[in-house]
Amino acid sequence: GESVGLHLPTLSVQEGDNSIINCAYSNSASDYFIWYKQESGKGPQFIIDIRSNMDKRQGQRVTVLLNKTVKHLSLQIAATQPGDSAVYFCAESDSGGYQKVTFGTGTKLQVIP
Amino acid sequence: KAGVTQTPRYLIKTRGQQVTLSCSPISGHRSVSWYQQTPGQGLQFLFEYFSETQRNKGNFPGRFSGRQFSNSRSEMNVSTLELGDSALYLCASSATGANEQYFGPGTRLTVT
Repeated sequence: GESVGLHLPTLSVQEGDNSIINCAYSNSASDYFIWYKQESGKGPQFIIDIRSNMDKRQGQRVTVLLNKTVKHLSLQIAATQPGDSAVYFCAESDSGGYQKVTFGTGTKLQVIP
Repeated sequence: KAGVTQTPRYLIKTRGQQVTLSCSPISGHRSVSWYQQTPGQGLQFLFEYFSETQRNKGNFPGRFSGRQFSNSRSEMNVSTLELGDSALYLCASSATGANEQYFGPGTRLTVT
């Protein structure tokens, strides 16, 4: 079946450095991608999204890059802070608008003070 | 505006029992989705409801069912519980026509 996967299960980053979290997807028909952050004991929190007709989208301290040629998605966090420590999921959403979201396995980001 | 709420937050059940979990979406949101999260399988889509109708369903056995009420509140039911059903069950709501989902804190179900 279709899958969305992550390259690294754990990423350790020094506070103040930039973080890059990568994600590969296999469904070439996917047209909407989302990054979520999940802190311990909480549900996933929306960070940023991007549609397949875009290559890049920026938010506050975060940037998502989409490379449709190699089916790769990345999340860049600038000036990583201790509060960024969490598990990050990439996800793909069904274009039919029925909210069927396929999540990746998650990457744990550890920020070293 | 209040976020998505789920009740109960924690639940312990015995194999063979059934359980009902509740989700109240953000006011005005008509779409409610349910997910199961486990360490081994990650986040998996269960089903999605909109205006009391199930629009999409994941690959779970028929023991997992759900419904949505006219006020958009939703419940999911798991019958004949198995040990493998132990998980965090997450509910998410979204506004009509919007893709962004807002998640609740989840219900932690433990089956013994």
